[in-house]
Amino acid sequence: NAGVMQNPRHLVRRRGQEARLRCSPMKGHSHVYWYRQLPEEGLKFMVYLQKENIIDESGMPKERFSAEFPKEGPSILRIQQVVRGDSAAYFCASSPPSQGARVYEQYFGPGTRLTVT
Amino acid sequence: QKEVEQDPGPLSVPEGAIVSLNCTYSNSAFQYFMWYRQYSRKGPELLMYTYSSGNKEDGRFTAQVDKSSKYISLFIRDSQPSDSATYLCAMSSYNQGGKLIFGQGTELSVKP
Repeated sequence: NAGVMQNPRHLVRRRGQEARLRCSPMKGHSHVYWYRQLPEEGLKFMVYLQKENIIDESGMPKERFSAEFPKEGPSILRIQQVVRGDSAAYFCASSPPSQGARVYEQYFGPGTRLTVT
Repeated sequence: QKEVEQDPGPLSVPEGAIVSLNCTYSNSAFQYFMWYRQYSRKGPELLMYTYSSGNKEDGRFTAQVDKSSKYISLFIRDSQPSDSATYLCAMSSYNQGGKLIFGQGTELSVKP
């Protein structure tokens, strides 16, 4: 049973370019979460999505960041006009489709390490 | 004040020791508590998931939740060098939706 998949694993972008990070949830999971891990900081929640819906984007920066989880295909985290401060590890997690307590049973992918030069 | 506090360590123990890892929190509404293990440059791996107060055991790992003290613990018995990693606590409440609040993580080193 494949786990959460993320690609690319490493991404280098120059300042001002766009970064696209992809996440495929575990088989059978329909809830996707994105977290960011900065050096010397813990994991910080960014956004929670279900198929074609953004459920909670309270952790997303107001500008340049967007996320989607289309009916078909992986979830995408998009960062436009990247700046050096965006350099971090971005993790995707997924949880089972049932409501209630199981949304907190989150399984993480290996992460995408974004470096902005 | 952070919602979740965790001593970053590092914590170094000899092989076979009992390890105690802890987190404190300030939000009394938290009721879902998780422990993750993260190896260097890897994704967090879910170790334990508990609801409300009490103990939960899984092999060499025991998770304890004391809601009255806003304190959670993870115990590792018979620690092994392969347990060397960063351990993250995470927690949430019903009104957080699916959002997990993480501690900073404790770096553990188990010496052979």
